[in-house]
Amino acid sequence: DTGVSQNPRHKITKRGQNVTFRCDPISEHNRLYWYRQTLGQGPEFLTYFQNEAQLEKSRLLSDRFSAERPKGSFSTLEIQRTEQGDSAMYLCASSLAGGVGQPQHFGDGTRLSIL
Amino acid sequence: GENVGLHLPTLSVQEGDNSIINCAYSNSASDYFIWYKQESGKGPQFIIDIRSNMDKRQGQRVTVLLNKTVKHLSLQIAATQPGDSAVYFCAEVLNTGANSKLTFGKGITLSVRP
Repeated sequence: DTGVSQNPRHKITKRGQNVTFRCDPISEHNRLYWYRQTLGQGPEFLTYFQNEAQLEKSRLLSDRFSAERPKGSFSTLEIQRTEQGDSAMYLCASSLAGGVGQPQHFGDGTRLSIL
Repeated sequence: GENVGLHLPTLSVQEGDNSIINCAYSNSASDYFIWYKQESGKGPQFIIDIRSNMDKRQGQRVTVLLNKTVKHLSLQIAATQPGDSAVYFCAEVLNTGANSKLTFGKGITLSVRP
């Protein structure tokens, strides 16, 4: 399978703990995006990378959230001191760069549940 | 699994009929649009896209129509099958320099009756 891969698929943790998710994009894609999705809603943009550079962060991304893409390939999203409101599906997508018309392809997400 | 379609409007169609799923987008400057299908417990799956300089694009069993005058997008699925049952989202893209982030519309649950 050469699609976007995310792990773990599910994460259950206690409030206040730190969690880290990993995303492996489609190999030739230089853009990588993180989104958050809550039940009954569409995904909401969090942040995005072109190669290793983080080029935009949403206001949804509080200072407890940090994302990295150190070598321009896989990315990690860390949430520190988790809160109940962080419970959601965290989705990663990747695409090629370059002009209009490069669709983003999504992984199956990491479902985070905060106890 | 996770119920992505919780509290979303539902379109119920008979197997074999054609389905039309509508979406109103928000930004008249958006220049690229994508339809995604999302099944329970999975991420959004790309179906078809259209650029703003087009008003119609056809794929296999699917057609997307774009009406920029009223900021309306529709997805037509021919001969709907049980496997088409899912939540469908439209997404718009405003290409501002390097970024192409997606803004998703409200999803619609498609339920196919056998």
